[in-house]
Amino acid sequence: DAKTTQPNSMESNEEEPVHLPCNHSTISGTDYIHWYRQLPSQGPEYVIHGLTSNVNNRMASLAIAEDRKSSTLILHRATLRDAAVYYCILRRPGGSEKLVFGKGTKLTVNP
Amino acid sequence: NAGVMQNPRHLVRRRGQEARLRCSPMKGHSHVYWYRQLPEEGLKFMVYLQKENIIDESGMPKERFSAEFPKEGPSILRIQQVVRGDSAAYFCASSPDTGESYTFGSGTRLTVV
Repeated sequence: DAKTTQPNSMESNEEEPVHLPCNHSTISGTDYIHWYRQLPSQGPEYVIHGLTSNVNNRMASLAIAEDRKSSTLILHRATLRDAAVYYCILRRPGGSEKLVFGKGTKLTVNP
Repeated sequence: NAGVMQNPRHLVRRRGQEARLRCSPMKGHSHVYWYRQLPEEGLKFMVYLQKENIIDESGMPKERFSAEFPKEGPSILRIQQVVRGDSAAYFCASSPDTGESYTFGSGTRLTVV
């Protein structure tokens, strides 16, 4: 599986935007970029995924660099409930079905 | 539409006992995955199952651990002769098909005393 690199931690203030970066310089042409997050004492939850174009859903936006070697998860207005560990994961169609979680980015949201 | 249901939420076992963790996938999901999260560590893949089949067990310890997903009923992760090092949160996830996003359960927190 191609490797992703994320900062260990980030901090934000409530109601401000948050940009969570992910580097994946060895991404292949068919790898999808998936984001999951894990709130304290809970199981992970799916956030968003994309291939080449930027994606938006009710939870977040995903901005993918033109060369696909990096991406950014954008939370438009952080709330205290967004405090979690955010994981950036690559998945290849037809490859291993298992999600491989790295260490992720621990996001702290200050009131 | 209930999500992935795991039970029990908390399980305490003495060393040497057996632990059985249950996971009912979301309705319509035929793919089940088990993950383990040790205290202050990341999520580690254990096993991937479809109905009556183990597809990938590359993350399962070679001894004492087994998993099944029968035709009827929940998926079971079984740990025999538990040791203190088995204390962890065990998460189950399901998906409707290959390549689809996972839905995770709330986990079972196993404590071995």
